[in-house]
Amino acid sequence: AQSVAQPEDQVNVAEGNPLTVKCTYSVSGNPYLFWYVQYPNRGLQFLLKYITGDNLVKGSYGFEAEFNKSQTSFHLKKPSALVSDSALYFCAVRNNQGGKLIFGQGTELSVKP
Amino acid sequence: GAVVSQHPSRVICKSGTSVKIECRSLDFQATTMFWYRQFPKKSLMLMATSNEGSKATYEQGVEKDKFLINHASLTLSTLTVTSAHPEDSSFYICSARGGQGAEQYFGPGTRLTVT
Repeated sequence: AQSVAQPEDQVNVAEGNPLTVKCTYSVSGNPYLFWYVQYPNRGLQFLLKYITGDNLVKGSYGFEAEFNKSQTSFHLKKPSALVSDSALYFCAVRNNQGGKLIFGQGTELSVKP
Repeated sequence: GAVVSQHPSRVICKSGTSVKIECRSLDFQATTMFWYRQFPKKSLMLMATSNEGSKATYEQGVEKDKFLINHASLTLSTLTVTSAHPEDSSFYICSARGGQGAEQYFGPGTRLTVT
């Protein structure tokens, strides 16, 4: 069965510092991995995805994520956090047979000035 | 990216009434649409998956007679919450996909409040 774990309910970072939001996954077959961001009372916005190829994936708004097959992780990173990055972040996984997209429980990122 | 719209964005209804939420793919044909429910600051719970022209597949624990899903065309799916109760109050988000390996796009969500 597919599953995604985001071990941190909340991450607090000072503006300008690097940020990491953690995600680990379990899926049969090769994984398709995604990160989404959600602002209050809004739908999900796509940030980036890993399908195949380079393990380091660059996405929107300066975010990037690194696929680590041995650790079954796909942590989201940004070198320098902005206050406007404060939002709810979701990691998601799907198998390569086009199955359902399964979400992690979400991590609330708070960036303080 | 592709655009998925939802209507209405907010709805308030009285207990016992039914409410319909529409989900449209605006610039692509969605062979598959998904309906999610989200509680405050919580993850998205997949309710059902629908393929155009066929019956929806509901996740375990989701009442198919209460949450009626229709995917009548390649650009429209509807979710009808029948005989709504206050515990049905939630944020409902739809998502659409153009094919089995295609990207999945999300609507902006509908806030349902049942009084």
